[in-house]
Order: sequence, then structure tokens, then C-alpha cells
Amino acid sequence: DVKVTQSSRYLVKRTGEKVFLECVQDMDHENMFWYRQDPGLGLRLIYFSYDVKMKEKGDIPEGYSVSREKKERFSLILESASTNQTSMYLCASSFDLSGGLDTQYFGPGTRLTVL
Amino acid sequence: GQQLNQSPQSMFIQEGEDVSMNCTSSSIFNTWLWYKQEPGEGPVLLIALYKAGELTSNGRLTAQFGITRKDSFLNISASIPSDVGIYFCAGQPRSNSGYALNFGKGTSLLVTP
Repeated sequence: DVKVTQSSRYLVKRTGEKVFLECVQDMDHENMFWYRQDPGLGLRLIYFSYDVKMKEKGDIPEGYSVSREKKERFSLILESASTNQTSMYLCASSFDLSGGLDTQYFGPGTRLTVL
Repeated sequence: GQQLNQSPQSMFIQEGEDVSMNCTSSSIFNTWLWYKQEPGEGPVLLIALYKAGELTSNGRLTAQFGITRKDSFLNISASIPSDVGIYFCAGQPRSNSGYALNFGKGTSLLVTP
């Protein structure tokens, strides 16, 4: 079974703090993704990575950065947390299949609250 | 990315009833996926569809990839209380040479005993 783990299930931070969210997958997947999920807005892609040290902006990258130093680990960084970044953050990973067929497997999520 | 149109937004049914939900897109998709998310958890993959017309089952769940490649449906037969959750469709548009999926906003399912 594919396993995607996230470092924290719940996190509370203060405005202005630097926040690190960690994601690890154990299936040697090439692709990794960070989403945020908000009521009424669904899942929105923040950043994704298709290889080590490679990253691509998603739909809402502002206020976030990412790091992929190892294939199995993808970190999401909030340089200076703000209250509007309070959300559920979901990490996902997938194989790099030819033809662009991309079945993503999700972690359990991190619920971040910024006070 | 493009947001998929998923309906209904919510359903409140009695145990034993069948459920049907669907997703549509204005563009052609290569892949359709259906996920279930329970409160406080990440989405779990239920069914993946890769070919137009494909009909796939997973227990009491059945999903189909529409012939036009612009829609998909998910049916749940004989619902039970543990079917409660939010069901998401997701897909990869043919025009997208990248890796990201587009998601629907979800169908919230409540099942009463």
C-alpha cells in the first residue's frame, strides 16, 4: 500500500512565524504535491514537484515556498504565516506514468491554525 | 486549474438507498478519479478510470468514464452509515501536459440508519 505521511495532524502558529510542513512518501514516487483545502473552495494546488530539486507553481503559490532535497520528502514553507493561511494542508504523491496518467495518493492532512 | 462541476453538492439519504453523483467538464479529460474524504482525514482513492466508456466497480461502488471524455459518474448501491463522507471527483485534462489534477468541490453524503 502507498503510504504518504505528514509530520503533524494539527498545528497552531502565530502570525509572522515561519512554518514548515513536512511530507514523506514511501513508494518511490517521482511526483509530489501540496494542496490546501477550504470550505466552499475545494482543493487548490499550491506547488508540485516532479523530481528532486525541481518545483512548479500551482494555482495559489503566493506566500508559500517548497523544498525537495530528497525524492521521498517534500516540504511546504510559510515564510511569514498569516491568518488567511489557516487551512487544511494536504500532501499527495504519484508515479510518473507516461501519457500523463496521474493517480495521486494523499496524506492524512495537517490542520494549521494561524492566530 | 479548471474546477470541475460536481453535483449534487450534498445528499441526505436513508440506509439501503442507492446514490448517484456526477462530474462534468468543459474540456476533454484523460483520467477520472473518485476519492472519499472522512472528517479530519485526507482523501482516499476509490476508483481510477483511464479509458472513455470504462466502467469499473469497487465493491458497492461503480464509476464510469463518459464516452465524450467530459464527464464521469459514481454510484453507491445499498448505502450504509459508514459511507458518510465527502466524495470528490478529479481528473487530468488532455490539454494539460503537466502533472496536476483538477478537482470538483465535492458531494457531501449523509446516511441515516
